[in-house]
Amino acid sequence: DQQVKQNSPSLRVQEGRISILNCDYTNSMFDYFLWYKKYPAEGPTFLISISSIKDKNEDGRFTVFLNKSAKHLSLHIVPSQPGDSAVYFCAASFFGNTGKLIFGQGTTLQVKP
Amino acid sequence: DTEVTQTPKHLVMGMTNKKSLKCEQHMGHRAMYWYKQKAKKPPELMFVYSYEKLSINESVPSRFSPECPNSSLLNLHLHALQPEDSALYLCASSTSWNRGLSTDTQYFGPGTRLTVL
Repeated sequence: DQQVKQNSPSLRVQEGRISILNCDYTNSMFDYFLWYKKYPAEGPTFLISISSIKDKNEDGRFTVFLNKSAKHLSLHIVPSQPGDSAVYFCAASFFGNTGKLIFGQGTTLQVKP
Repeated sequence: DTEVTQTPKHLVMGMTNKKSLKCEQHMGHRAMYWYKQKAKKPPELMFVYSYEKLSINESVPSRFSPECPNSSLLNLHLHALQPEDSALYLCASSTSWNRGLSTDTQYFGPGTRLTVL
């Protein structure tokens, strides 16, 4: 059972436009959500996180929105840049889960110049 | 500074070899993790150390043996691996998962690309 799902394997966006990456989850116990960016043959880089007590968190060009009733979160990148081209993983955890992160399958973002 | 370092960057080994992967962090984090990642897949958790003690073993075969010599170092000893163990091995650290909070961000190292021949 996949508790965290990223249903879009890939996304192509023009440079300067908005990129929206989506993530759905099924476990209502999740209370902390993270987005990681990964280039090939490198480790995931932490981008931004959000606690379940919030519905929005912003850091520069990156904003994460959380809709608890829909069990859905999204990452907005504005404006998108070619250097943003990478695989983006959504991850979730909850208190008492031994520090275990549950990852989605990833979405490959390609930003075209 | 949120740096986790891993050595070596690449490793090629035969099925009868013994080798070790090393991970280091100087952020004062008390939880450290080993993950395995195959191409186009998310990271899979292998082990969790909390305060230098092994807390979680995700049913990993005994040919993988973790070790935490101190709060900054994490090793993964490899012996008699199989070709299907070829993958990117990632180390991560976080403040702790045992504080009663789930808001501990895990920071990943660059990984070791392991090839088993």
